[in-house]
Amino acid sequence: GAVVSQHPSWVICKSGTSVKIECRSLDFQATTMFWYRQFPKQSLMLMATSNEGSKATYEQGVEKDKFLINHASLTLSTLTVTSAHPEDSSFYICSARPRGYEQYFGPGTRLTVT
Amino acid sequence: TQLLEQSPQFLSIQEGENLTVYCNSSSVFSSLQWYRQEPGEGPVLLVTVVTGGEVKKLKRLTFQFGDARKDSSLHITAAQPGDTGLYLCAGARNQGGKLIFGQGTELSVKP
Repeated sequence: GAVVSQHPSWVICKSGTSVKIECRSLDFQATTMFWYRQFPKQSLMLMATSNEGSKATYEQGVEKDKFLINHASLTLSTLTVTSAHPEDSSFYICSARPRGYEQYFGPGTRLTVT
Repeated sequence: TQLLEQSPQFLSIQEGENLTVYCNSSSVFSSLQWYRQEPGEGPVLLVTVVTGGEVKKLKRLTFQFGDARKDSSLHITAAQPGDTGLYLCAGARNQGGKLIFGQGTELSVKP
């Protein structure tokens, strides 16, 4: 149980285009999902908290107009990187919390902007 | 400001050796989780500790939560090459709160 999927697992896009990443909880409902960014050999950096039916809460320094988050249902949250630039290239990971303390992570999406 | 200090950040040992990873904070956490992550994959939850002084064992891994719930440790006995990976500790200030991650420990176990 507590499986989280992400799609796509990797994507290459050209500078200036937008990319959408999906995060799904497969066997549980999650009122809250989280989006992280991770650089090589480093820890996870929380970007935003996604709440079903309401606006996402962004961490300080994260541009909400650049990283659009939509939590349309209890099993789906999407992250759209708008007008992507090479510096947005990174490993993006989502997590979902079925209840209580524990978060379960997706397998991540490798974004490369050329 | 790093709220959860994890050490060491890098560790390279031989198969069969023991090791301990530490997570320390000046803040109290309601719970603390340990994750293991392999390259190109998402973190996998190993354990959650919520009670001060709690000790949990997972085969050769022993997790401890400090009495004051400000620190935690992960001890691996007789490490194996399959233990290689990035180990992450993460604490939550309250139930339902966001996780605060440590810097991670990159463990390499050589055969």
